[in-house]
Amino acid sequence: QKEVEQNSGPLSVPEGAIASLNCTYSDRGSQSFFWYRQYSGKSPELIMSIYSNGDKEDGRFTAQLNKASQYVSLLIRDSQPSDSATYLCAVNMDNSGGYQKVTFGTGTKLQVIP
Amino acid sequence: NAGVMQNPRHLVRRRGQEARLRCSPMKGHSHVYWYRQLPEEGLKFMVYLQKENIIDESGMPKERFSAEFPKEGPSILRIQQVVRGDSAAYFCASSPLGSGFDGYTFGSGTRLTVV
Repeated sequence: QKEVEQNSGPLSVPEGAIASLNCTYSDRGSQSFFWYRQYSGKSPELIMSIYSNGDKEDGRFTAQLNKASQYVSLLIRDSQPSDSATYLCAVNMDNSGGYQKVTFGTGTKLQVIP
Repeated sequence: NAGVMQNPRHLVRRRGQEARLRCSPMKGHSHVYWYRQLPEEGLKFMVYLQKENIIDESGMPKERFSAEFPKEGPSILRIQQVVRGDSAAYFCASSPLGSGFDGYTFGSGTRLTVV
């Protein structure tokens, strides 16, 4: 069973702090990695994608990938109350069909305390 | 340029009825993916379709569930004889043919409640 693992949280951080969200995956052949944000009652929204080892920054968000350790993380700098949501880690697992088949973790709930 | 359109947004069915969920992909997209999110759980892959073809239905329950993506019109996820355990949010995503995939864009979802 190919899996994506996340700590369910909740992760509570004060406003202005750095929130660090972590994810591990089981399929060593995975090539594409994504972070989605999901507000309660809404659909998941893609916020970051990363394909190669290292860091990728986009505004207050930084995604980090370490394929050797099969580990993906998301850092949110200067956390705001509006960042309070569930963050889903997603991995495009290797599959013989050659098509996109993304497996999601169960999500980490982030609470930013004003 | 409309995104992925799903309807209805909310659907209430009594046990034993049929539920039909519709998904219109983004313009120019020919691949459709259906995911289900049970309460307090993650998104689970159900099925991947191209026009007139089911490519991967490994996540579909063996009974009562079916999906189609006809040459014309939206993709349909059909659940026959619904049970309370089918209550969930059903999300659809689409992607274009070929390379350049950069993550799914999901529709707003259909929230199915079985009473």
